[in-house]
Amino acid sequence: EVQLVQSGAEVKKPGESLKISCKGSGYEFIYYWIGWLRQMPGKGLEWMGVIYPGDSQATYMPSFEGQVTISVDRSTGTAYLQWRSLKASDTAIYYCARRPGSFGLDYWGQGTLVTVSS
Amino acid sequence: QSALTQPASVSGSLGQSITISCTGTSSDVGFYDYVSWFQQHPGEAPRLIIYDVNKRPSGVSSRFSGSKSGITASLTISGLQAEDEADYYCISYTRSSPFDLLGTGTKVSVL
Repeated sequence: EVQLVQSGAEVKKPGESLKISCKGSGYEFIYYWIGWLRQMPGKGLEWMGVIYPGDSQATYMPSFEGQVTISVDRSTGTAYLQWRSLKASDTAIYYCARRPGSFGLDYWGQGTLVTVSS
Repeated sequence: QSALTQPASVSGSLGQSITISCTGTSSDVGFYDYVSWFQQHPGEAPRLIIYDVNKRPSGVSSRFSGSKSGITASLTISGLQAEDEADYYCISYTRSSPFDLLGTGTKVSVL
């Protein structure tokens, strides 16, 4: 069974760093792109970026370029989303999802709620 | 990157059928048969319910069906049930970006 399991909720202060994770299982992790999406409170889904675990190539949406870093650890089948300096406006639920080819998303993680507040 | 246009809300009575539209352009929805739909209940992650315009993943109810005409894709929910109350998002392939276009989302209410 394909599963993506994300790390737990986080509460951080502005300026702090954070790295959240997404562990894949039940399939060959290195052969499927992983996407990260943001959902701000009461809002829709937004792409942040995608990464191909086979070569760790990451592509970012322009609005997130330089704001976050997406990486993978092939040895553990885990993808990561990282911030160096959080802002209150980063408060949101972050989802990872698997891309089953060149299009779309099929399996989703359960989401990680990140709250940034002083 | 422009979003696909969906109605903000659609409502229907128990047992009715409703249709949610997803409008793009001739460069995305209108050109490729790569449209998917997701269902998201409050507090839960999105779940894939339709892919490649009209295919259902294993385990998804046959009350959900997808179609496409021109630049508009549609999701129809037949025999509306209380558990269908959720947000629904469409997504379409576009060759002009490495990121598929996401819909604006539709809130379905069951009266």
